[in-house]
Amino acid sequence: NAGVTQTPKFRILKIGQSMTLQCTQDMNHNYMYWYRQDPGMGLKLIYYSVGAGITDKGEVPNGYNVSRSTTEDFPLRLELAAPSQTSVYFCASSATPGTPTFYSGANVLTFGAGSRLTVL
Amino acid sequence: AQTVTQSQPEMSVQEAETVTLSCTYDTSESDYYLFWYKQPPSRQMILVIRQEAYKQQNATENRFSVNFQKAAKSFSLKISDSQLGDAAMYFCACAAISNFGNEKLTFGTGTRLTIIP
Repeated sequence: NAGVTQTPKFRILKIGQSMTLQCTQDMNHNYMYWYRQDPGMGLKLIYYSVGAGITDKGEVPNGYNVSRSTTEDFPLRLELAAPSQTSVYFCASSATPGTPTFYSGANVLTFGAGSRLTVL
Repeated sequence: AQTVTQSQPEMSVQEAETVTLSCTYDTSESDYYLFWYKQPPSRQMILVIRQEAYKQQNATENRFSVNFQKAAKSFSLKISDSQLGDAAMYFCACAAISNFGNEKLTFGTGTRLTIIP
């Protein structure tokens, strides 16, 4: 099924460790996003990308890095994990905002299933 | 920049009754879109309904409808004939389309809806 795939679903890290959350989509979407959702809170944008080779910071980019070498993949890297990064991470993708394609689909923004990360 | 505010952290409704979830937003852009997303315990984000700001007519999707008050920057969600499967966290979101075409969704903090059998 077409959509956004995130791995891993769960991960426990020790303080100071690094890891990469993988995200891939097969809908040929130009835009991809990484959000984090803290308990009882809404989603906050970490980074986003408007196409291969182009990334930009969102609201809460500190402690994270991203790359976008292909249209399909948008990995999120955590360097020197801290307890404050304990959260659920969502990857999402969309067609270019403002274009007819963006609003013609059933889901404007297609989300992955989420990755629960705990830093101890 | 834009902000989305949901002032009701939790709501509950009797099964088969109607409930309204509130949302206010602020954006400096003239062209924008508003959304309600549902997040069940599975954590998946599911689009419930969307509204184009330039349209005066309120959007409806089966049992879900919105009350869009543009001047007041208010965007409430009404769920009619509530069902047990409607229990979830509901997020209001705004996407303002700037001249650069690269705006992204801003989410509210969510309202947890409980359905009472």
